[in-house]
Amino acid sequence: EPEVTQTPSHQVTQMGQEVILRCVPISNHLYFYWYRQILGQKVEFLVSFYNNEISEKSEIFDDQFSVERPDGSNFTLKIRSTKLEDSAMYFCASSGGPNRYTGELFFGEGSRLTVL
Amino acid sequence: GDSVTQMEGPVTLSEEAFLTINCTYTATGYPSLFWYVQYPGEGLQLLLKATKADDKGSNKGFEATYRKETTSFHLEKGSVQVSDSAVYFCALSDNTNAGKSTFGDGTTLTVKP
Repeated sequence: EPEVTQTPSHQVTQMGQEVILRCVPISNHLYFYWYRQILGQKVEFLVSFYNNEISEKSEIFDDQFSVERPDGSNFTLKIRSTKLEDSAMYFCASSGGPNRYTGELFFGEGSRLTVL
Repeated sequence: GDSVTQMEGPVTLSEEAFLTINCTYTATGYPSLFWYVQYPGEGLQLLLKATKADDKGSNKGFEATYRKETTSFHLEKGSVQVSDSAVYFCALSDNTNAGKSTFGDGTTLTVKP
């Protein structure tokens, strides 16, 4: 069964360092997302991406964040200068193909980011 | 903006007990509604969904009915098992703008043998 894969599963970094989280969405999906989850509870929307551009972003997704789809398979989230409060589990998700958008999200297993 | 409110947890039940987790929403337009489940150490996975009013989503013994008049999508299961222990998230998708989903705060369910 197709699945969303994320790397790394866990990253520890120093405050102020750049971090790149990588995702491989399901191959025929067209909509891509990043969410984050703090303390194993609330799931917060960061950004959605469609047709090679950001379609919506939240207030959390400030100038320190960026996303990219550098090739036909990867979808990355970059945090330029990490802060302590960026520590969270980051989930990539994908959804939908041509003429069959359903709103259902397929999530990866997550990348845990710890900022020291 | 859109919002989802779930009953506060955690919820602790004995095996074979009846489960209800309440969920209400606020949205403009006609959202699709979802329940996702997150088992310990894993990502979220879809449990069930409903795309229009009066639709009933069901899976693995869980059910939820899209009630437009009460803006609710309560999750129910007649007889829970220890393996149902997880965090349950109610969510809505606005079906526009690449379908950003809004999640409730999650309800932790623990089922004891």
